[in-house]
Amino acid sequence: GESVGLHLPTLSVQEGDNSIINCAYSNSASDYFIWYKQESGKGPQFIIDIRSNMDKRQGQRVTVLLNKTVKHLSLQIAATQPGDSAVYFCAENINYGQNFVFGPGTRLSVLP
Amino acid sequence: EAEVAQSPRYKITEKSQAVAFWCDPISGHATLYWYRQILGQGPELLVQFQDESVVDDSQLPKDRFSAERLKGVDSTLKIQPAELGDSAMYLCASSLVRGQNTEAFFGQGTRLTVV
Repeated sequence: GESVGLHLPTLSVQEGDNSIINCAYSNSASDYFIWYKQESGKGPQFIIDIRSNMDKRQGQRVTVLLNKTVKHLSLQIAATQPGDSAVYFCAENINYGQNFVFGPGTRLSVLP
Repeated sequence: EAEVAQSPRYKITEKSQAVAFWCDPISGHATLYWYRQILGQGPELLVQFQDESVVDDSQLPKDRFSAERLKGVDSTLKIQPAELGDSAMYLCASSLVRGQNTEAFFGQGTRLTVV
């Protein structure tokens, strides 16, 4: 399949290890954040979201941390699996319902 | 599971020709987005609809791009004439209600190649 993000920053992790993907967002007024996963040739897929009144949210094998002081978002993936290999984007949403602004993305490569 | 439908999946066109993409959002979703994604970058908004009305088209190159959502359901994005630099993935997304923080669901996209 076609490759998404040929020149993106890449994070390589061993299968079974934990992954941490970081994102710096741009607007201090952003009040809602989403992490998306994008596999080659496909559209972005929702992973987890967090609102600005929270600093941590957990899902199945994923945790998102929000640090509003330094405008930083991270995605932690526990026990990384080969199927987690993809490009990951953070997206910020400003002013309730305005468009989502995407970060540049990080390619996660899971090594056997 | 409800999905955002897009067609075609792939389109090759010659420069200066017209091209159109279609999107059918998830049923009941009032907000519809068109994004363009250049290889190696994140998606960038082209246009956002709330029902049939455009709420943001500030990044849409209006000399050649047009978008409509006449009945507030499905939408068409058109490029005329296409240029080589328009080669990209065109993504459609929808979300339930504007004015609330809800996720946007994306379709599989249309990969456009202009030759």
